[in-house]
Amino acid sequence: DQQVKQNSPSLSVQEGRISILNCDYTNSMFDYFLWYKKYPAEGPTFLISISSIKDKNEDGRFTVFLNKSAKHLSLHIVPSQPGDSAVYFCAASALWNNDMRFGAGTRLTVKP
Amino acid sequence: NAGVTQTPKFQVLKTGQSMTLQCAQDMNHNSMYWYRQDPGMGLRLIYYSASEGTTDKGEVPNGYNVSRLNKREFSLRLESAAPSQTSVYFCASAAGTGGETQYFGPGTRLLVL
Repeated sequence: DQQVKQNSPSLSVQEGRISILNCDYTNSMFDYFLWYKKYPAEGPTFLISISSIKDKNEDGRFTVFLNKSAKHLSLHIVPSQPGDSAVYFCAASALWNNDMRFGAGTRLTVKP
Repeated sequence: NAGVTQTPKFQVLKTGQSMTLQCAQDMNHNSMYWYRQDPGMGLRLIYYSASEGTTDKGEVPNGYNVSRLNKREFSLRLESAAPSQTSVYFCASAAGTGGETQYFGPGTRLLVL
């Protein structure tokens, strides 16, 4: 069963606008959430994370929002840049175990 | 500081052949992981090692074995490759367990004919 879901396989935005990537999870035991970015032929690289005790975490142009009651998180990129074009994976885990679950990914294209 | 390295980068096998994927990290991390990535499926955990000398099954362990050779190295072995094991394999490491950020290698693309 897919415990972490990214329902949008792709997203296209104009440079300078906001990109919003969404992620839903089903396991209420998850208490740590991460976003990874992946370029072709490379491994995923860590982007930003949030623990369940927070509802927002910001790092420069990237902000992650967590809605625990809805089991939903989102990644906002403002302003979007062409270099942000990549596949973004949402991931979730429980702090007490190693089993990190990933979503299927969303391919973001930022057009100049 | 190379981070996480994986060899080989690409491999073609025939059904029934065996091979070992190698992974090494130079960050002095305790935990290491093997994932496979398939289209539309994201990354799925095959096996992990929380510390030197220990290994545990992940979400999709069938058809694979692992060895945590020392703190730096974690290998993944396919004893009898099947076409269903065609995938991109990623190794990762983390300082600790649970919610620690994982750092990924560049991946090994495996094609089983």
